[in-house]
Amino acid sequence: DAGVTQSPTHLIKTRGQQVTLRCSPKSGHDTVSWYQQALGQGPQFIFQYYEEEERQRGNFPDRFSGHQFPNYSSELNVNALLLGDSALYLCASTRVDRGLKTQYFGPGTRLLVL
Amino acid sequence: GENVEQHPSTLSVQEGDSAVIKCTYSDSASNYFPWYKQELGKRPQLIIDIRSNVGEKKDQRIAVTLNKTAKHFSLHITETQPEDSAVLRCYQKVTFGTGTKLQVIP
Repeated sequence: DAGVTQSPTHLIKTRGQQVTLRCSPKSGHDTVSWYQQALGQGPQFIFQYYEEEERQRGNFPDRFSGHQFPNYSSELNVNALLLGDSALYLCASTRVDRGLKTQYFGPGTRLLVL
Repeated sequence: GENVEQHPSTLSVQEGDSAVIKCTYSDSASNYFPWYKQELGKRPQLIIDIRSNVGEKKDQRIAVTLNKTAKHFSLHITETQPEDSAVLRCYQKVTFGTGTKLQVIP
């Protein structure tokens, strides 16, 4: 049973560029959430996708967008990269089981913006 | 968003001692209370969770207690070991607590 996977593991971009990060949820999970974790900080919620629609969004600008595919995998896109976008980007998948929204995290994609 | 406060921010204990971390939340409708452990550079890992219809849950050395009236839930670790050293975070809705850096001294 594969867990949550993310690609790529590391990425280096320059300011102004665009980036796409990918996530495959744990088998049986249908909801995907994305978080940004800057160095030394806690994970900050970006948005959540369910049934191919954005269901909830955190306090992030429109430069951050996403998509969920019919197989439940998801992409996070960031346009016009800023130095401050350098962070670990975590994907988490969820399955609601008897009211417990058990959430499992992928290993993350470490993005460095130069 | 959800207001989630976590205390203490750092905690140093001797190996074998107990550690307790408290998390206070604001949404009275909350019904799921997980705790995550995050080692440096690694992903958050679920260590224990509890539903709102249960006051306490225990898994070997780790337990979580819930006080819905006071809107707080606590993580209890007994017989701490050096490998317990990590940042521990509570979580509510889409918000992580501020984190507790636990250091277990051998």
